[in-house]
Amino acid sequence: NAGVMQNPRHLVRRRGQEARLRCSPMKGHSHVYWYRQLPEEGLKFMVYLQKENIIDESGMPKERFSAEFPKEGPSILRIQQVVRGDSAAYFCASSPATGTKNTGELFFGEGSRLTVL
Amino acid sequence: GDSVTQMEGPVTLSEEAFLTINCTYTATGYPSLFWYVQYPGEGLQLLLKATKADDKGSNKGFEATYRKETTSFHLEKGSVQVSDSAVYFCALSGNTGNQFYFGTGTSLTVIP
Repeated sequence: NAGVMQNPRHLVRRRGQEARLRCSPMKGHSHVYWYRQLPEEGLKFMVYLQKENIIDESGMPKERFSAEFPKEGPSILRIQQVVRGDSAAYFCASSPATGTKNTGELFFGEGSRLTVL
Repeated sequence: GDSVTQMEGPVTLSEEAFLTINCTYTATGYPSLFWYVQYPGEGLQLLLKATKADDKGSNKGFEATYRKETTSFHLEKGSVQVSDSAVYFCALSGNTGNQFYFGTGTSLTVIP
């Protein structure tokens, strides 16, 4: 199955540690999106990346959070010095490259659930 | 900017009841519209989509019609089942096609 793969599915960290979440997009997809879902809340956009480029990071907190999508390998969402408020489900989604308007959809992974103790 | 507003939940219905979840949007140009569904413990899955005005998306008994005059894309199902219990998200993809905007989600619980 060549779906969007996220790992780890579950991650527990203590306050002050670092969390790294990985996302491998579907085969042939070069656009990656990260969303955060807090308990009882909706889906919040964080960042949109293409290979080696951050296209839109308007939803990313200015501190402690960073994302990359290297030429080779998965996209990584990195949270430094985690705090309890970072506990959430983080979803990655991918879409194919678009030469013209993309009327397609996003393909989501099953999410990485971060718990900060 | 582009945005989506959907009906707040939670919604609780009895099996075989009629479902409507309202969704309105704000966008410049001609967005594509989507409904996604999230079952407990899983990621979002596309339920249906419509790419231009008056298009009707349908899947698994769910329908939604792209209404440009009312900027709406309401989700409907004639007879819900317990297995439809999930969170439903309305979304749009703007003119560039590279940015997706999601509503806050509506939780649906169907009781036998």
